[in-house]
Amino acid sequence: QQQVRQSPQSLTVWEGETAILNCSYENSAFDYFPWYQQFPGEGPALLIAIRSVSDKKEDGRFTIFFNKREKKLSLHITDSQPGDSATYFCAAEANTGNYKYVFGAGTRLKVIA
Amino acid sequence: EAAVTQSPRSKVAVTGGKVTLSCHQTNNHDYMYWYRQDTGHGLRLIHYSYVADSTEKGDIPDGYKASRPSQENFSLILELASLSQTAVYFCASSVRDRYSGNTLYFGEGSRLIVV
Repeated sequence: QQQVRQSPQSLTVWEGETAILNCSYENSAFDYFPWYQQFPGEGPALLIAIRSVSDKKEDGRFTIFFNKREKKLSLHITDSQPGDSATYFCAAEANTGNYKYVFGAGTRLKVIA
Repeated sequence: EAAVTQSPRSKVAVTGGKVTLSCHQTNNHDYMYWYRQDTGHGLRLIHYSYVADSTEKGDIPDGYKASRPSQENFSLILELASLSQTAVYFCASSVRDRYSGNTLYFGEGSRLIVV
């Protein structure tokens, strides 16, 4: 059962463009949504996160837009740079206190100079 | 700076053999996790632990055991390795901030190939 879905599987954009990565979920108990960035040969690292009480979270060039009613969120990367080329994972955590994430399958982003 | 180290970083194992993947954290975190990464599946939770000498099953525990002998160390054990267990394995520890939520700190991964 895929509780967290990401699209597209892969995305290629030109340097300076805005990359949009999508995520949707099924479980209404999810209330915390972190995005992790993973470079080849490395472990994932937290990039940015949002709680379900907010509809937007911004950190520099990275912005999460959250729609609770539709159970969808998206990560926007403005002014994309070649160094942003990585795999991005959307994750979700429920407010059940067991501190377990559910990860999406990831979106592989390539930024061309 | 959070630090999670895994060993070995790479291993080739024979089908039916025993494999132990080790993880050590210096973050003083209570929670530790073992994830498996396969292309197209993202990260899937195998086992986790929130205190020494106790482990919990994750979403895909079959074929795996875990051991948490101390707060710092968490091992993943494959008693009888199978071809389907070829994957990259990640260990993580976590700290929960009451404002920002649960943040995972991952190791660099252990690539396991079963032949």
